Amino acid sequence: SAVISQKPSRDICQRGTSLTIQCQVDSQVTMMFWYRQQPGQSLTLIATANQGSEATYESGFVIDKFPISRPNLTFSTLTVSNMSPEDSSIYLCSAATGDVAGNTIYFGEGSWLTVV
Amino acid sequence: SQQGEEDPQALSIQEGENATMNCSYKTSINNLQWYRQNSGRGLVHLILIRSNEREKHSGRLRVTLDTSKKSSSLLITASRAADTASYFCATDAKGSARQLTFGSGTQLTVLP
Repeated sequence: SAVISQKPSRDICQRGTSLTIQCQVDSQVTMMFWYRQQPGQSLTLIATANQGSEATYESGFVIDKFPISRPNLTFSTLTVSNMSPEDSSIYLCSAATGDVAGNTIYFGEGSWLTVV
Repeated sequence: SQQGEEDPQALSIQEGENATMNCSYKTSINNLQWYRQNSGRGLVHLILIRSNEREKHSGRLRVTLDTSKKSSSLLITASRAADTASYFCATDAKGSARQLTFGSGTQLTVLP
């Protein structure tokens, strides 16, 4: 199994500012992902964090708004840029070991951002 | 995009009763996973069922998968107040790079 730590766990942010969320996995994983969960909603995939290269973004999410880094196999960051109240969400990091069927995908505790 | 739908959206039962939640999806999958989320917290992995499996058990949890109907169910037996949480199914589509598509979730409330 993999233990995923996220920082910060919670933050209140001013409109127009940017915040970087860190995700650290306790073991080497092949795949890392970032999800967003808006209040009362399910999870939506933002992007796949690729080691040493640009992240792969899902429809509706762009690099300028959500720049992602993954400098090595166990660490990734997600920045939420130029925040507005609509960005108030839980942001969750997840990781998978391998890309074969049958491998569990683990999640961090999430980072709860409130934009005021 | 969300491909999974879960029903019911909300379920309220008495402690000791069984709770059944259903999930439907739209595409061929590698596997399906169920997660629990307590309010304001991260996701806790409950159980994974592969596309070639039909039923799986883990403690008080029983998961079934019917790939012909593209549906799954999660049964929690002898429920406890601590089981109160949101439950999500998530599918791992064939041909994907392990990205998960989540259902809309079921909010389970177990009354003491």
